[in-house]
Amino acid sequence: EAGVAQSPRYKIIEKRQSVAFWCNPISGHATLYWYQQILGQGPKLLIQFQNNGVVDDSQLPKDRFSAERLKGVDSTLKIQPAKLEDSAVYLCASSLGNNRGPYGYTFGSGTRLTVV
Amino acid sequence: GESVGLHLPTLSVQEGDNSIINCAYSNSASDYFIWYKQESGKGPQFIIDIRSNMDKRQGQRVTVLLNKTVKHLSLQIAATQPGDSAVYFCAETLQNFNKFYFGSGTKLNVKP
Repeated sequence: EAGVAQSPRYKIIEKRQSVAFWCNPISGHATLYWYQQILGQGPKLLIQFQNNGVVDDSQLPKDRFSAERLKGVDSTLKIQPAKLEDSAVYLCASSLGNNRGPYGYTFGSGTRLTVV
Repeated sequence: GESVGLHLPTLSVQEGDNSIINCAYSNSASDYFIWYKQESGKGPQFIIDIRSNMDKRQGQRVTVLLNKTVKHLSLQIAATQPGDSAVYFCAETLQNFNKFYFGSGTKLNVKP
């Protein structure tokens, strides 16, 4: 099966600019996650969707970050305005969402964001 | 989130030797643990998991050990190969399998 697709692979922007990332999960996966991975650290969950509803966005900096999954398939994550500390890899993951464990939890290759 | 950490940030081993990567977790209520491998430029890849009602689980060349008394996980890789060079993360989940807390990672360097 096809994996989790993310684009773009790399993005360089100036601080205070806006940026958007796109994720297409594995077909049939109901749960979609966005993670932020700062260099040298483990991934940190930003937001979790179940179909088109938000399950958990407690760690999403809502003053500048937003995410949507309008039709319960693709998702976009937006940052506006970006700060230097937002430089990181943004990973999307998806799972069946039926408590079958993380072997059904697949990560994309991520988008590497550099804010200058 | 919960605190999940690793003792060694970098581990260098000779090809063919066994590797042991350690991880400490802080929440005794965590009941499911995962080891992920992340190669450069790629997302984390599932390696092996273990539930809290087990203390050992074996896969192909990998073994995970869980010590709930001291809240410690380890990943053992037998006959380490150059393709094993990557960053390894442990992650814990709290009962519902849908929320993962990751440690900061250990970089494994395999010397030929």
